[in-house]
Amino acid sequence: EAQVTQNPRYLITVTGKKLTVTCSQNMNHEYMSWYRQDPGLGLRQIYYSMNVEVTDKGDVPEGYKVSRKEKRNFPLILESPSPNQTSLYFCASTALGGRAYEQYFGPGTRLTVT
Amino acid sequence: QKEVEQNSGPLSVPEGAIASLNCTYSDQGSQSFFWYRQYSGKSPELIMFIYSNGDKEDGRFTAQLNKASQYVSLLIRDSQPSDSATYLCAVNRDNYGQNFVFGPGTRLSVLP
Repeated sequence: EAQVTQNPRYLITVTGKKLTVTCSQNMNHEYMSWYRQDPGLGLRQIYYSMNVEVTDKGDVPEGYKVSRKEKRNFPLILESPSPNQTSLYFCASTALGGRAYEQYFGPGTRLTVT
Repeated sequence: QKEVEQNSGPLSVPEGAIASLNCTYSDQGSQSFFWYRQYSGKSPELIMFIYSNGDKEDGRFTAQLNKASQYVSLLIRDSQPSDSATYLCAVNRDNYGQNFVFGPGTRLSVLP
C-alpha cells in the first residue's frame, strides 16, 4: 500500500529536549515536505526537499532542521523545542511527473512542548 | 494581507444543495492552485487542482480559476453530509510545485 508514515503520532516533551519526528514514504517520490498546522493559521510549510541532499526553507523554518540522506526518509529535527512549537505536524511526498504535484500526506504527529 | 485567504466559516448548506467555497490569493505569479479536503483529526487529501483560467470539473466538484481577479473557487454539487469537512485552498509559488502556501481553510457543514 502506497503511504507516508510518521512516527511518533503523539509526543509530549519538555522545553529544550531534542527530538526527531521521522517521515518515510514507499512511493519512490522525489519531493517531500514538512508542514505544521495551527488553528486559524492553516498549514504552513516548514521545509521541503526536491531530492536527496537538496532541501529548502518554507515559510516557518526557524527552530527546525531537516535532512534528506535517503530518498524515502525526511526526518524533522527540533534541536531545542519550545512551547510555541506545539502543533500538529504533517509530512507529505509528491511524485515528479504523473499526476504532478499531488501531495500525499502522512497521518500527522501531534507534538506538545511543555 | 495574507497570501491566501478563505472565509473560515462554518458554511452550512442543506443536503443536495450546491456548496460554494472561495479563495483569493495575493501573488500574481502563482502558477497552480489546489483544493484539499480535511476531515477532523485526519490529514488533507487532494480533491482538485487547476492551472488554467476557467472551469475544471471532476464528478460533483468544479474548480474555477480567474487569474485576473486572483480568485479560485470550488463548487460541490449535490452536497452530502459526508462532504462536511474543512476545505483548504493551496497555491504553489514556483514552477516545481513544491513551495506551497495554504489558506486557513473553510469549514463546511452539510445538514441532512
